[in-house]
Amino acid sequence: DGGITQSPKYLFRKEGQNVTLSCEQNLNHDAMYWYRQDPGQGLRLIYYSQIVNDFQKGDIAEGYSVSREKKESFPLTVTSAQKNPTAFYLCASSISYGLSEKLFFGSGTQLSVL
Amino acid sequence: DQQVKQNSPSLSVQEGRISILNCDYTNSMFDYFLWYKKYPAEGPTFLISISSIKDKNEDGRFTVFLNKSAKHLSLHIVPSQPGDSAVYFCAASASIYNFNKFYFGSGTKLNVKP
Repeated sequence: DGGITQSPKYLFRKEGQNVTLSCEQNLNHDAMYWYRQDPGQGLRLIYYSQIVNDFQKGDIAEGYSVSREKKESFPLTVTSAQKNPTAFYLCASSISYGLSEKLFFGSGTQLSVL
Repeated sequence: DQQVKQNSPSLSVQEGRISILNCDYTNSMFDYFLWYKKYPAEGPTFLISISSIKDKNEDGRFTVFLNKSAKHLSLHIVPSQPGDSAVYFCAASASIYNFNKFYFGSGTKLNVKP
């Protein structure tokens, strides 16, 4: 089955710790995205990547980092610089970077701070 | 500053009746709109879209209406079924942006009662 796999489903972070959220897709999509959802708010864009070895900051990139070494993979690292990391994180992909391409989402990772 | 707003956090409807979910936007440059549906512990899935050159788009039981002058769109579900119970997000994008950037509303939780 083609799709986007996010892991883990739940993740806990200690103070000062970096954690990495995994996102893998087998849809052969070029573009990938990371969104953050907070209660009562819409999804906000953290980072996006058009192609392998390229990525750009979204609206709320501070305290996060990403890599895109393979087409299938777009991991997100939540660094200790992110002071309010508790949120639901969604990875998405689209066939291309082109306008009006609909997004396909993974099932999300809930990150909480211990 | 949210550019896409869903002012009703929840909506309850009787099975077989019409569900109307509303969405307002502030950016007059938005010209492409989508609705996503999200079940608990799953990622959002694409439901229906509409371009600003149209004022209505229909797909089975789902119809989206766009009122550009009022900067308002709505999703109608007729007839509503218990399986439609989910959170619905609207999203908007503008072709003037140089990439596939969507702004999301905060979602409306629909409960369809049997």
